[in-house]
Amino acid sequence: EVQLVQSGAVVKKPGDSLKISCQTSGYNFADFWIAWVRQMPGKGLEWMGIIYPGDSDTRYSPSFQGQVTISADNSLKTAYLQWSSLKASDTALYYCARRVRYSSGWDWMDPWGQGTQVTVSS
Amino acid sequence: DIQMTQSPSSLSASVGDRVTITCRASQNIGTYLNWYQQKPGKGPKLLIYVASSLQSGVPSTFSGSGSGTDFTLTISSLQPEDSATYYCQQSHTTPPTFGGGTTVEIK
Repeated sequence: EVQLVQSGAVVKKPGDSLKISCQTSGYNFADFWIAWVRQMPGKGLEWMGIIYPGDSDTRYSPSFQGQVTISADNSLKTAYLQWSSLKASDTALYYCARRVRYSSGWDWMDPWGQGTQVTVSS
Repeated sequence: DIQMTQSPSSLSASVGDRVTITCRASQNIGTYLNWYQQKPGKGPKLLIYVASSLQSGVPSTFSGSGSGTDFTLTISSLQPEDSATYYCQQSHTTPPTFGGGTTVEIK
Protein backbone atom coordinates (compact mmCIF):
# COMPACT_ATOMS: atom_id res chain seq x y z
CA GLU A 1 0.00 0.00 0.00
CA VAL A 2 1.31 3.43 -0.96
CA GLN A 3 1.48 5.71 2.08
CA LEU A 4 2.65 9.25 2.75
CA VAL A 5 3.08 10.04 6.45
CA GLN A 6 3.81 13.62 7.45
CA SER A 7 5.53 15.02 10.51
CA GLY A 8 3.47 16.36 13.38
CA ALA A 9 1.97 19.75 14.11
CA VAL A 10 4.35 22.53 15.09
CA VAL A 11 4.07 25.95 16.72
CA LYS A 12 6.78 28.45 15.84
CA LYS A 13 7.52 32.12 16.29
CA PRO A 14 7.88 34.64 13.47
CA GLY A 15 11.42 34.55 12.14
CA ASP A 16 11.99 30.90 13.11
CA SER A 17 13.15 28.34 10.59
CA LEU A 18 11.26 25.10 9.99
CA LYS A 19 11.52 21.88 8.00
CA ILE A 20 8.56 19.51 7.78
CA SER A 21 8.70 16.04 6.30
CA CYS A 22 6.72 13.56 4.21
CA GLN A 23 7.87 9.95 4.60
CA THR A 24 6.79 7.57 1.86
CA SER A 25 6.42 3.81 1.58
CA GLY A 26 4.98 1.21 -0.73
CA TYR A 27 6.49 2.36 -4.04
CA ASN A 28 9.78 3.38 -5.64
CA PHE A 29 10.29 6.87 -4.19
CA ALA A 30 12.66 7.98 -6.96
CA ASP A 31 10.14 7.35 -9.74
CA PHE A 32 7.31 9.73 -8.78
CA TRP A 33 7.10 13.49 -8.27
CA ILE A 34 6.03 14.69 -4.80
CA ALA A 35 3.95 17.87 -4.55
CA TRP A 36 3.32 20.20 -1.63
CA VAL A 37 -0.07 21.89 -1.21
CA ARG A 38 -1.09 24.62 1.24
CA GLN A 39 -4.50 25.03 2.86
CA MET A 40 -4.90 28.22 4.85
CA PRO A 41 -7.49 28.28 7.66
CA GLY A 42 -10.96 27.84 6.21
CA LYS A 43 -9.67 28.15 2.65
CA GLY A 44 -9.06 26.00 -0.41
CA LEU A 45 -6.03 24.22 -1.81
CA GLU A 46 -2.95 25.93 -3.31
CA TRP A 47 -0.21 24.06 -5.16
CA MET A 48 3.19 25.21 -3.90
CA GLY A 49 5.70 23.16 -5.84
CA ILE A 50 6.98 19.75 -6.74
CA ILE A 51 10.14 17.65 -6.69
CA TYR A 52 11.28 14.61 -8.66
CA PRO A 53 13.43 12.62 -6.22
CA GLY A 54 15.11 10.72 -9.05
CA ASP A 55 17.16 13.77 -10.08
CA SER A 56 16.01 16.44 -7.57
CA ASP A 57 14.36 18.47 -10.34
CA THR A 58 12.23 21.01 -8.45
CA ARG A 59 9.55 23.40 -9.70
CA TYR A 60 7.77 26.11 -7.74
CA SER A 61 4.55 28.02 -8.17
CA PRO A 62 5.44 31.70 -8.78
CA SER A 63 3.46 32.49 -5.62
CA PHE A 64 5.85 30.41 -3.50
CA GLN A 65 9.15 30.80 -5.38
CA GLY A 66 11.74 32.15 -2.97
CA GLN A 67 9.45 31.68 0.02
CA VAL A 68 10.02 27.96 0.64
CA THR A 69 12.48 25.23 -0.32
CA ILE A 70 11.48 21.73 -1.38
CA SER A 71 13.97 18.89 -1.08
CA ALA A 72 14.12 15.09 -0.91
CA ASP A 73 16.32 12.36 0.56
CA ASN A 74 16.22 9.19 -1.52
CA SER A 75 17.87 7.08 1.17
CA LEU A 76 15.09 7.98 3.62
CA LYS A 77 12.33 8.03 0.94
CA THR A 78 11.32 11.37 2.41
CA ALA A 79 10.44 14.75 0.96
CA TYR A 80 10.76 18.03 2.83
CA LEU A 81 9.33 21.54 2.85
CA GLN A 82 11.28 24.22 4.63
CA TRP A 83 11.20 27.87 5.57
CA SER A 84 14.18 30.00 6.58
CA SER A 85 12.14 32.73 8.27
CA LEU A 86 8.50 32.06 9.09
CA LYS A 87 5.76 34.69 9.02
CA ALA A 88 2.37 34.67 10.70
CA SER A 89 0.85 34.33 7.23
CA ASP A 90 2.54 30.91 6.88
CA THR A 91 0.03 29.54 9.39
CA ALA A 92 -1.72 26.76 7.47
CA LEU A 93 -2.14 23.06 6.91
CA TYR A 94 0.46 21.66 4.52
CA TYR A 95 -0.06 18.47 2.53
CA CYS A 96 2.29 16.36 0.48
CA ALA A 97 0.94 14.23 -2.35
CA ARG A 98 2.38 11.83 -4.90
CA ARG A 99 1.97 12.91 -8.50
CA VAL A 100 0.92 10.12 -10.85
CA ARG A 101 1.58 10.87 -14.50
CA TYR A 102 0.65 9.11 -17.73
CA SER A 103 2.98 9.30 -20.70
CA SER A 104 0.23 11.18 -22.54
CA GLY A 105 0.64 14.01 -20.06
CA TRP A 106 -2.38 13.55 -17.83
CA ASP A 107 -1.54 13.62 -14.15
CA TRP A 108 -3.18 13.67 -10.76
CA MET A 109 -2.23 13.57 -7.08
CA ASP A 110 -2.69 10.30 -5.22
CA PRO A 111 -2.37 9.52 -2.40
CA TRP A 112 -2.05 12.49 -0.06
CA GLY A 113 -0.47 12.71 3.36
CA GLN A 114 -2.53 13.45 6.45
CA GLY A 115 -1.31 17.04 6.62
CA THR A 116 0.99 19.01 8.93
CA GLN A 117 -0.45 21.97 10.84
CA VAL A 118 2.02 24.85 11.06
CA THR A 119 1.12 27.66 13.44
CA VAL A 120 3.25 30.80 13.53
CA SER A 121 2.52 33.09 16.44
CA SER A 122 4.42 35.41 18.72
CA ASP B 1 -2.75 30.86 -13.94
CA ILE B 2 -5.89 29.01 -15.00
CA GLN B 3 -8.83 29.93 -12.77
CA MET B 4 -11.18 27.15 -11.68
CA THR B 5 -14.67 28.15 -10.55
CA GLN B 6 -16.90 25.70 -8.72
CA SER B 7 -20.59 25.98 -8.03
CA PRO B 8 -22.37 25.88 -5.77
CA SER B 9 -20.03 26.67 -2.87
CA SER B 10 -22.24 24.58 -0.61
CA LEU B 11 -25.34 22.45 -0.80
CA SER B 12 -27.60 20.45 1.46
CA ALA B 13 -29.30 17.30 0.20
CA SER B 14 -31.01 14.20 1.52
CA VAL B 15 -29.77 10.64 1.51
CA GLY B 16 -30.59 9.10 -1.85
CA ASP B 17 -30.65 12.42 -3.72
CA ARG B 18 -28.76 12.99 -6.95
CA VAL B 19 -26.16 15.74 -6.46
CA THR B 20 -24.34 17.67 -9.18
CA ILE B 21 -21.31 19.92 -8.72
CA THR B 22 -19.96 21.98 -11.59
CA CYS B 23 -16.48 23.26 -12.31
CA ARG B 24 -15.57 25.79 -14.99
CA ALA B 25 -12.06 26.51 -16.24
CA SER B 26 -10.98 29.96 -17.43
CA GLN B 27 -9.56 28.38 -20.61
CA ASN B 28 -9.75 25.14 -22.54
CA ILE B 29 -8.14 22.34 -20.49
CA GLY B 30 -9.29 19.37 -22.53
CA THR B 31 -9.83 16.54 -20.05
CA TYR B 32 -7.00 17.54 -17.71
CA LEU B 33 -9.39 17.67 -14.79
CA ASN B 34 -9.40 15.77 -11.49
CA TRP B 35 -11.84 15.66 -8.57
CA TYR B 36 -10.97 15.19 -4.89
CA GLN B 37 -12.99 14.65 -1.73
CA GLN B 38 -11.81 16.09 1.58
CA LYS B 39 -13.30 15.22 4.96
CA PRO B 40 -12.57 17.28 8.09
CA GLY B 41 -9.12 16.62 9.51
CA LYS B 42 -8.05 14.49 6.53
CA GLY B 43 -6.01 14.91 3.40
CA PRO B 44 -7.86 15.05 0.08
CA LYS B 45 -8.73 11.76 -1.61
CA LEU B 46 -8.71 11.29 -5.39
CA LEU B 47 -12.16 10.42 -6.78
CA ILE B 48 -12.02 11.05 -10.52
CA TYR B 49 -9.06 11.62 -12.87
CA VAL B 50 -8.91 12.69 -16.51
CA ALA B 51 -12.42 14.13 -16.14
CA SER B 52 -14.31 10.84 -16.08
CA SER B 53 -12.13 7.95 -14.90
CA LEU B 54 -13.16 6.53 -11.53
CA GLN B 55 -10.28 5.94 -9.13
CA SER B 56 -10.01 2.35 -7.88
CA GLY B 57 -12.01 1.78 -4.71
CA VAL B 58 -14.29 4.79 -5.19
CA PRO B 59 -18.02 3.90 -5.18
CA SER B 60 -19.70 3.82 -8.56
CA THR B 61 -22.22 6.38 -7.29
CA PHE B 62 -19.56 8.94 -8.20
CA SER B 63 -19.07 9.96 -11.82
CA GLY B 64 -17.41 12.76 -13.74
CA SER B 65 -18.02 14.27 -17.13
CA GLY B 66 -17.07 17.18 -19.34
CA SER B 67 -14.26 18.52 -21.47
CA GLY B 68 -12.92 21.87 -22.56
CA THR B 69 -14.06 24.36 -19.94
CA ASP B 70 -17.12 22.79 -18.30
CA PHE B 71 -17.07 19.78 -16.01
CA THR B 72 -19.44 18.00 -13.66
CA LEU B 73 -19.12 15.71 -10.66
CA THR B 74 -22.26 13.72 -9.97
CA ILE B 75 -23.20 11.65 -6.95
CA SER B 76 -26.06 9.50 -8.18
CA SER B 77 -27.39 8.52 -4.75
CA LEU B 78 -26.07 10.56 -1.83
CA GLN B 79 -24.92 8.58 1.20
CA PRO B 80 -24.18 9.84 4.74
CA GLU B 81 -20.46 9.17 4.27
CA ASP B 82 -20.43 11.53 1.26
CA SER B 83 -20.61 14.55 3.57
CA ALA B 84 -17.38 16.36 2.64
CA THR B 85 -15.86 19.16 0.61
CA TYR B 86 -15.19 18.46 -3.06
CA TYR B 87 -12.50 20.14 -5.16
CA CYS B 88 -11.81 20.14 -8.87
CA GLN B 89 -8.21 20.59 -10.07
CA GLN B 90 -6.76 21.27 -13.51
CA SER B 91 -3.50 19.62 -14.52
CA HIS B 92 -3.28 21.16 -18.00
CA THR B 93 -0.90 23.99 -17.09
CA THR B 94 1.64 24.58 -14.33
CA PRO B 95 0.87 25.59 -11.67
CA PRO B 96 -2.02 23.18 -11.17
CA THR B 97 -4.96 25.07 -9.70
CA PHE B 98 -7.99 24.06 -7.69
CA GLY B 99 -11.57 25.21 -7.56
CA GLY B 100 -12.75 26.91 -4.40
CA GLY B 101 -14.52 23.79 -3.16
CA THR B 102 -18.12 22.65 -2.69
CA THR B 103 -19.24 21.57 0.75
CA VAL B 104 -21.91 18.85 0.70
CA GLU B 105 -24.07 18.53 3.79
CA ILE B 106 -26.60 15.81 4.50
CA LYS B 107 -30.04 17.07 5.52
